[in-house]
Amino acid sequence: AQSVTQLGSHVSVSEGALVLLRCNYSSSVPPYLFWYVQYPNQGLQLLLKYTSAATLVKGINGFEAEFKKSETSFHLTKPSAHMSDAAEYFCAVASNTGKLIFGQGTTLQVKP
Amino acid sequence: ETGVTQTPRHLVMGMTNKKSLKCEQHLGHNAMYWYKQSAKKPLELMFVYNFKEQTENNSVPSRFSPECPNSSHLFLHLHTLQPEDSALYLCASSQRSRLASSTDTQYFGPGTRLTVL
Repeated sequence: AQSVTQLGSHVSVSEGALVLLRCNYSSSVPPYLFWYVQYPNQGLQLLLKYTSAATLVKGINGFEAEFKKSETSFHLTKPSAHMSDAAEYFCAVASNTGKLIFGQGTTLQVKP
Repeated sequence: ETGVTQTPRHLVMGMTNKKSLKCEQHLGHNAMYWYKQSAKKPLELMFVYNFKEQTENNSVPSRFSPECPNSSHLFLHLHTLQPEDSALYLCASSQRSRLASSTDTQYFGPGTRLTVL
């Protein structure tokens, strides 16, 4: 069975600083992995997804994530945080039936 | 309208009321989903419809009753809910073949914030 663990329910960074949101997965088959973002009072929006092509995946809004099989990780990064990046971020793994299994979410706070 | 829309955006109901949530997707997708998002818990998949047929019911109590009249519309009928059912209910859609694909991207609506008194 697949599962996802997001390390840190809250992350706080200063504007302009590196953003690093951690995600570790468990999967008995090659995983398909996703990062979604949820802004206040909105639904989830896809940031990026890994589907076994390149291990470094670039997404929207300057975010990227690297798939590391040896570490079973799919951490999300952005070189320089903007105030508009403040939101909740969800990592998810897809089951072999297409069902998405989400992590608990990480709230990103960006301080001026 | 574009993407996935949900109505109403906010709903307050008593435990004896009957209400319905509506979801509409304008993306030409053939799969639709209901999720429940509670505070401090991961998103919980409730139901999946593929080509109007229910393909997954994630042990959801019978007080939640989904309906999918066509590939563009999805309803969630609510009756005799409990206060612990208060949550954000999210609808999503994706383009799936009849052979489910793990790489499908799900597109989410803004959700209905439900409060049960």
